Amino acid sequence: AQSVTQLGSHVSVSEGALVLLRCNYSSSVPPYLFWYVQYPNQGLQLLLKYTSAATLVKGINGFEAEFKKSETSFHLTKPSAHMSDAAEYFCAVSGGFKTIFGAGTRLFVKA
Amino acid sequence: DAGVTQSPTHLIKTRGQQVTLRCSPKSGHDTVSWYQQALGQGPQFIFQYYEEEERQRGNFPDRFSGHQFPNYSSELNVNALLLGDSALYLCASSPEAGGAETQYFGPGTRLLVL
Repeated sequence: AQSVTQLGSHVSVSEGALVLLRCNYSSSVPPYLFWYVQYPNQGLQLLLKYTSAATLVKGINGFEAEFKKSETSFHLTKPSAHMSDAAEYFCAVSGGFKTIFGAGTRLFVKA
Repeated sequence: DAGVTQSPTHLIKTRGQQVTLRCSPKSGHDTVSWYQQALGQGPQFIFQYYEEEERQRGNFPDRFSGHQFPNYSSELNVNALLLGDSALYLCASSPEAGGAETQYFGPGTRLLVL
C-alpha cells in the first residue's frame, strides 16, 4: 500500500525567501515520487520526479527535491520565492499503475 | 502538438442523472488515467486504461465506468449522480502504463451536481 502526507495545508513566504514544502511517503515497493503544481482553474503540471537515479532531483522553475529513504521524505525546495510561485503543490507516489496524491499545500508569496 | 484535451469544461447535472466526460490524450500516448479532485483536496485515482482495458482501479463504486477507444481517447461515465460527485475530473495521459512515466494532465471538467 502507498500513501503520501503533505505537512502543512498552507505555507506563506516572503518574496525572495526559501520555499520548503514537506512530503512524506509510505510505499511497500521502491517508489517513484513526483511533485506537481496546479494554478487556479488549471490541470496539474509536473515540476520534477524521482525514479531511483540521483537522490537530488532538479526540476523546472528553480525547484528541486531530495529523496531521503531513511526519512521516507521527498521535500520540495526553492532558494528564492517569486510571486509567480503562488499555487497549489501536490506530492505524489507511484509504485505501479496507480498514482497516489497528497492533499496539497497552498503556497502564498508575500511581496 | 496539442496536449491533453477534455470536454466539456463545465457541466451541471441533477441527482440521479448520468454523465459522460471525454478525454483525448497527448499525441503518442496510449495510457489514460482518470482522477476526481474534490474542492480543497488532492486528485483521487479512479482508474487507468491501457490497450482499451481497465488496467487498475481505485476505491470508486461501480457507478464510475470508463472506456478507451482504438485511437486511445477515453470516456468516463458516472451513473446515478450524487451530490458528492461534484468535483473537478482530471484526465492524464502517459506514453505507457508504468509508474515511472510522467503523466500529462488536461485542464479538467468541472462537474456540479444539484
